[in-house]
Amino acid sequence: DAKTTQPPSMDCAEGRAANLPCNHSTISGNEYVYWYRQIHSQGPQYIIHGLKNNETNEMASLIITEDRKSSTLILPHATLRDTAVYYCIVRVASNSGYALNFGKGTSLLVTP
Amino acid sequence: EAEVAQSPRYKITEKSQAVAFWCDPISGHATLYWYRQILGQGPELLVQFQDESVVDDSQLPKDRFSAERLKGVDSTLKIQPAELGDSAMYLCASGWGPNSGNTIYFGEGSWLTVV
Repeated sequence: DAKTTQPPSMDCAEGRAANLPCNHSTISGNEYVYWYRQIHSQGPQYIIHGLKNNETNEMASLIITEDRKSSTLILPHATLRDTAVYYCIVRVASNSGYALNFGKGTSLLVTP
Repeated sequence: EAEVAQSPRYKITEKSQAVAFWCDPISGHATLYWYRQILGQGPELLVQFQDESVVDDSQLPKDRFSAERLKGVDSTLKIQPAELGDSAMYLCASGWGPNSGNTIYFGEGSWLTVV
């Protein structure tokens, strides 16, 4: 299984861009990179996913390196409500499908 | 926006009692997952359904846990008997299908405290 490595914690000032890195050096060609976040006591919230190309939606941008061994999630203008644990997940094949295997994630603290 | 519905939101039960959690996935979603999340850790997959069939229950403690999705729509996760170590949040998630590119959406979770 392709595993991911994320820093355990990061800080970001409100209004600034938050750049969350993720290493996935053993990723296979058909595996997607997914990002979820989890605010305390709530279920994980889908943010974005990508295969090879960079992606952008209303929540964030995902930058994937050309060799696909790492990626960065960018929250362009962080707010206090973005304080959460962010999970970078490589979606790998389970016994009969593609489940999500969560690691420990990055705890992002957005400060005033 | 369609959501994954779970109930109850909170449950306190005594050790050795039975407890059940219910999940209603997003309409049309064929794949349904149950995860368990212990405080301070990431969610761990317990069981995955494709329609009404179990396709992965390798991490489900089958001596006390059971899961069913009889009509391929909603699902129930049961624990009997509950143990103190089962205290956790139980998350249900659903997706259109098992392929890697299909997004999975989570419910708000059911918190279980075993006393």
